[in-house]
Amino acid sequence: KAGVTQTPRYLIKTRGQQVTLSCSPISGHRSVSWYQQTPGQGLQFLFEYFSETQRNKGNFPGRFSGRQFSNSRSEMNVSTLELGDSALYLCASRQVFRTGSQYGYTFGSGTRLTVV
Amino acid sequence: AQKITQTQPGMFVQEKEAVTLDCTYDTSDQSYGLFWYKQPSSGEMIFLIYQGSYDEQNATEGRYSLNFQKARKSANLVISASQLGDSAMYFCAMRETDTGRRALTFGSGTRLQVQP
Repeated sequence: KAGVTQTPRYLIKTRGQQVTLSCSPISGHRSVSWYQQTPGQGLQFLFEYFSETQRNKGNFPGRFSGRQFSNSRSEMNVSTLELGDSALYLCASRQVFRTGSQYGYTFGSGTRLTVV
Repeated sequence: AQKITQTQPGMFVQEKEAVTLDCTYDTSDQSYGLFWYKQPSSGEMIFLIYQGSYDEQNATEGRYSLNFQKARKSANLVISASQLGDSAMYFCAMRETDTGRRALTFGSGTRLQVQP
């Protein structure tokens, strides 16, 4: 079973530009979460999508947006890039790994975005 | 608000020895889950082990075990028989079930270096 696939792996953008990152969850999984990882702020939750609907959002400005398609693939968009947006962006696929309501998260390898 | 504290920025351990990575958490929820992830230099977050707040026994997964002390709100990761490939960043994370937030809160991480 293929894991969580994120593309591209690396990206360099100029300040003021916009960027779109892609995430394909594990086949059959309908929930996708996005996290930002920076040396200063650590790992922070961006948002979660389930069946094409945003269910939860972290404390990020409106420049950060996302969407999910009917095949569960998700995209994250950052507009008007700032130097501080340089980070590793991780996508996670939620899965039940025990009976009942307990579940875990499988992460992709991330997209490393550098804003210059 | 939920919080995860990892007080050890870096740890050294000799190959084949056991090591304990500390994690304390703060939550007002009665139902929550605790996770440990490993992040090698490649960036991917690798799931290691999970402990539910109502689990009566400490979780174990191969060489990984979780020392869960609910009253002290600690969830330390124990790695037995360390291997060179264990060198990585390790993150403790929590998901609160009661709030339905469906997001992980991460600690700041511990960098483990295994020495031959």
